[in-house]
Amino acid sequence: EAGVTQFPSHSVIEKGQTVTLRCDPISGHDNLYWYRRVMGKEIKFLLHFVKESKQDESGMPNNRFLAERTGGTYSTLKVQPAELEDSGVYFCASRAGGFGLGGELFFGEGSRLTVL
Amino acid sequence: GQNIDQPTEMTATEGAIVQINCTYQTSGFNGLFWYQQHAGEAPTFLSYNVLDGLEEKGRFSSFLSRSKGYSYLLLKELQMKDSASYLCAVRLSGAGSYQLTFGKGTKLSVIP
Repeated sequence: EAGVTQFPSHSVIEKGQTVTLRCDPISGHDNLYWYRRVMGKEIKFLLHFVKESKQDESGMPNNRFLAERTGGTYSTLKVQPAELEDSGVYFCASRAGGFGLGGELFFGEGSRLTVL
Repeated sequence: GQNIDQPTEMTATEGAIVQINCTYQTSGFNGLFWYQQHAGEAPTFLSYNVLDGLEEKGRFSSFLSRSKGYSYLLLKELQMKDSASYLCAVRLSGAGSYQLTFGKGTKLSVIP
């Protein structure tokens, strides 16, 4: 069974440009999460989809970030326009089932974004 | 705010036992997770504690004390492949959004 896949693995762009990151969750996983790790900091939550709906987007840093999950399958995270502080590793994770106390988050390998 | 502390780096010898500590001060608590992350790879789930006590899973065990805001991950019979970063993460109570708050991670180096 394929795991969580993310594309691209690494993107280098200039300040002011646009980048779109893609995440394909494990097939059948309704819950999809985006996290980000900025250099030297901890991994931080960005947002959570349940199917195609945004359940919690409290971690999105500002309106330059737009996440979508049309059709409830793959998700995209667009940064427009990118700023230097957006550099980091963007992780996607997915989880089966509804709300619950346990469960396991399956992470992708991350998309490394470098803004010059 | 939320605060999760764990040592930045640790070194241990192959075959030995190592304990990685994690302390947390969070506005809510709905479980504590440990993840392992090899460089350039995805974090992978190791353990989950929501009640006080010890959870054992093969060479790995995790302990939780909610009253002390403390957890540890115990790795036995260390192998070279255990060299990785170990992430402590707390699931905050609330809307059930499964939002995890992570520590910065502990980089473990296993030496021969």
